[in-house]
Amino acid sequence: QVQLQESGPGLVRPSQTLSLTCTVSGGSISSGSYFWTWIRQPAGKGLEWIGRIYTSGSTNYNPSLKSRVAVSLDTSKNQFSLRLTSVTAADTAVYYCTREPLDVWGQGTTVTVSS
Amino acid sequence: QSVLTQPPSASGTPGQRVTISCSGSNSNIGRNYVYWYQQLPGTAPKLLIYSDNKRPSGVPDRFSGSKSGTSASLAISGLRSEDEADYYCAAWDDSLSAWVFGGGTKLTVL
Repeated sequence: QVQLQESGPGLVRPSQTLSLTCTVSGGSISSGSYFWTWIRQPAGKGLEWIGRIYTSGSTNYNPSLKSRVAVSLDTSKNQFSLRLTSVTAADTAVYYCTREPLDVWGQGTTVTVSS
Repeated sequence: QSVLTQPPSASGTPGQRVTISCSGSNSNIGRNYVYWYQQLPGTAPKLLIYSDNKRPSGVPDRFSGSKSGTSASLAISGLRSEDEADYYCAAWDDSLSAWVFGGGTKLTVL
């Protein structure tokens, strides 16, 4: 059974870049026809889709974040990653990695943007 | 402001049947499958319903999903205290080329 685990810094300074990695276990990230996806949730608020990457490497991003976000794939490490540039306090949230159709989720990692 | 519209709260007593609605548009619910998630406090969302009305293995048949036009519903029958959680609907939006979510419904079991 596929499992996902997020990792990365819990604290990021304003204007810096947020970088997170999702490690996939129990299956190959490049097998099957899946999109690998990032979603976030500010404390006490709802879910926001950030973006996704297909096993071929093609990507889609939330239009509201598109200018600041990049999702990449590292098949050799069975990982996919998120980069979000020029962060502000509004980017403080729990970040989840998931597999489409959003049936498998990581446990989530809290990222706080603060000086 | 979420693209999909859910009531912020719902409630029921043990054993009751509760329904949570999710309203969208032709670019999302009207053309694509609806998914429902249950989120217990401090945990990741859990898939309850996929492809409008299908249950993953392990999800009790007390949970059911339906869709008509640009609206969908999640029904929970035989309500139990452990069903107290936040519930979210989601769908792919063809116009935005993005997944969109409802704002979530907090279910209270009285």
